[in-house]
Amino acid sequence: QVQLVQSGSEVQKPGSSVTVSCKASGVTFSHYALNWVREAPGQGLEWVGRIIPVLGKTDYAQKFQGRVSITADKDTTTAYMDVRSLSSEDTAVYYCAGQIFGSGTPRPFESWGQGTQVTVSS
Amino acid sequence: DVVMTQSPDFLSVSLGDRATITCKSSQSVLYSSNKKNFLAWYQQKSGQPPKLLMSWASARESGVPDRFSGGGSGTDFTLTISSLQPEDVAVYYCHQYYSSPPTFGGGTRVEIK
Repeated sequence: QVQLVQSGSEVQKPGSSVTVSCKASGVTFSHYALNWVREAPGQGLEWVGRIIPVLGKTDYAQKFQGRVSITADKDTTTAYMDVRSLSSEDTAVYYCAGQIFGSGTPRPFESWGQGTQVTVSS
Repeated sequence: DVVMTQSPDFLSVSLGDRATITCKSSQSVLYSSNKKNFLAWYQQKSGQPPKLLMSWASARESGVPDRFSGGGSGTDFTLTISSLQPEDVAVYYCHQYYSSPPTFGGGTRVEIK
């Protein structure tokens, strides 16, 4: 059974950076893509970006290009999301979401981490 | 980007009654070569991550009760709960994974009347 376990809550000051991790187990990492999706207070779900670890390939939503970096460590089956230049608008719950990858056909997000609350406040 | 528009935003339904949520995409999410709709539905209960309910517009995930059904094709989709139960109180999201960036509808909150 796939399990995605994320790092704990963060409180950061405006202008600083934050790193959130997501450890995957019960999955063949080489056949998996890891997405990051955020949910701001009172808002819906917003895709941030994803990584395909076996290819080292990343994609980002346009609004996060240049400010977010997603990486993965195949040895520890852990993905990381770095967000720089934080503002109060980045206050949200950040989820990692797993997606089977391999046939070239896009798939839904089958598994989700428990979420990480990131609060940006002075 | 493909814009996903859900309606209504809020649905109050009596126990045992039918609940229907609609989702419209700004572009077709039907892939002509395999006739599959790249449309998923998620259920998110309070304080929990989203849970995949339905993929390919109408394929229920393992363990999802058969009172949940999905329909539609191309740009117009529905999620129906045939007989609302207390455990169905949640926010429901549609999601297109046909093209990048993947996008979500704004969500529909379902409550018991």
